[in-house]
Amino acid sequence: EPEVTQTPSHQVTQMGQEVILRCVPISNHLYFYWYRQILGQKVEFLVSFYNNEISEKSEIFDDQFSVERPDGSNFTLKIRSTKLEDSAMYFCASSEEGGAYNSPLHFGNGTRLTVT
Amino acid sequence: AQTVTQSQPEMSVQEAETVTLSCTYDTSESDYYLFWYKQPPSRQMILVIRQEAYKQQNATENRFSVNFQKAAKSFSLKISDSQLGDAAMYFCAYRTTSYDKVIFGPGTSLSVIP
Repeated sequence: EPEVTQTPSHQVTQMGQEVILRCVPISNHLYFYWYRQILGQKVEFLVSFYNNEISEKSEIFDDQFSVERPDGSNFTLKIRSTKLEDSAMYFCASSEEGGAYNSPLHFGNGTRLTVT
Repeated sequence: AQTVTQSQPEMSVQEAETVTLSCTYDTSESDYYLFWYKQPPSRQMILVIRQEAYKQQNATENRFSVNFQKAAKSFSLKISDSQLGDAAMYFCAYRTTSYDKVIFGPGTSLSVIP
């Protein structure tokens, strides 16, 4: 079964550094998402992306965050200047259709980001 | 704004018994989708079951079934014949048709007692 792939599985970075989290969504999916989960707590929506544009973003997704689909397969989340509170598990997800359809999100295994 | 509430932070069930996890949500929309996701200790998010709001029939997937009460905005998950592998965090999720995002509840941690 096709799956969403995220790399790296664990990233350690120093406060103030830039970090890029990478994702390869399922190949025929058109809608892409980033979520984060702090210490096994609530899964929080960050951003959705379709047709090379951001569809929705949450209040968490401020100017320090950006997303990009640099080629036909990768989908990246960049944090420009990491803060301690950015430490979390970051999940990439994709779906075949957008919100108008009963299309579940398929999640990657996550990247654990640790900011020291 | 849509919200999803799971009032049971922790639940436990004896192996082979049945357990029901509760979920309520708040929305002004009439058409939407609801999901249950499972997150085992590996942290992977796994889809368990989904329900369309316009369908009155409750969804069923093997040992997993839902009780969808649209008027009450309630969407509970029933796990029958619980197995040790069912131990996980369970998240209820709401997908709006108006905006492209899925909103998750705070989760219920389920333990299965041998």
